[in-house]
Amino acid sequence: EVQLVQSGAEVKKPGESLRISCQGSGYSFSSNWISWVRQVPGKGLEWIGRIDPSDSYTNYSPSFQGHVTISADKSSSTAYLQWRSLKASDTAIYYCARRVGIRWYFDLWGRGTLVAVSS
Amino acid sequence: QSALTQPASVSGSPGQSITISCTGTTSDIATYDFVSWYQQHPGKAPKLLIFDVNNRPSGVSTRFSGSKSGNTASLTISGLQAEDEADYFCSSFTTTDTFYVFGTGTEVTVL
Repeated sequence: EVQLVQSGAEVKKPGESLRISCQGSGYSFSSNWISWVRQVPGKGLEWIGRIDPSDSYTNYSPSFQGHVTISADKSSSTAYLQWRSLKASDTAIYYCARRVGIRWYFDLWGRGTLVAVSS
Repeated sequence: QSALTQPASVSGSPGQSITISCTGTTSDIATYDFVSWYQQHPGKAPKLLIFDVNNRPSGVSTRFSGSKSGNTASLTISGLQAEDEADYFCSSFTTTDTFYVFGTGTEVTVL
């Protein structure tokens, strides 16, 4: 089955670090960009950034640049989203999504990872 | 990143048709035919409904259709059904400082 499987929910304190994951299966993971998208509960979707798993080249939204790091491990078909120092405002659901070839839409989404940051 | 503008909510009775608008700018919708629409049920991941303005992926009901005029894209749901009650988001390629921009989201209620 073609799917993106995300890691489980996390509860963290402000200032802590965190890495969440998104593992692809059922397709050639290196062939498609993976994007990360944030959804604050009850709000809309925000694009965080993307990685090309074939060469680990990344782009970030200026709103998130410098606060998160996107990486990928081709050998395990896994993409990561990482924070060095979480803030309460990072509380949200984070989705990974697969870009279709060179098209500008996402055909496959993970089920989301809830990140809750609270003191 | 400035979001595309959608109405907060749209409602309709079963069997009716409803249309959700998505307004952008010359950096996105007005210039590029790269508008997509996603359906999201509570607690679930978004699901692709429409890509490239008016194309449906295999398996998506023909009751969903997309269009675009100027800087506004639209999603029409015909023959509204109870299962269509969900949130709907538009998205577009953009030449601003991100590749993608999403809409503010529309909650569809089936009366």
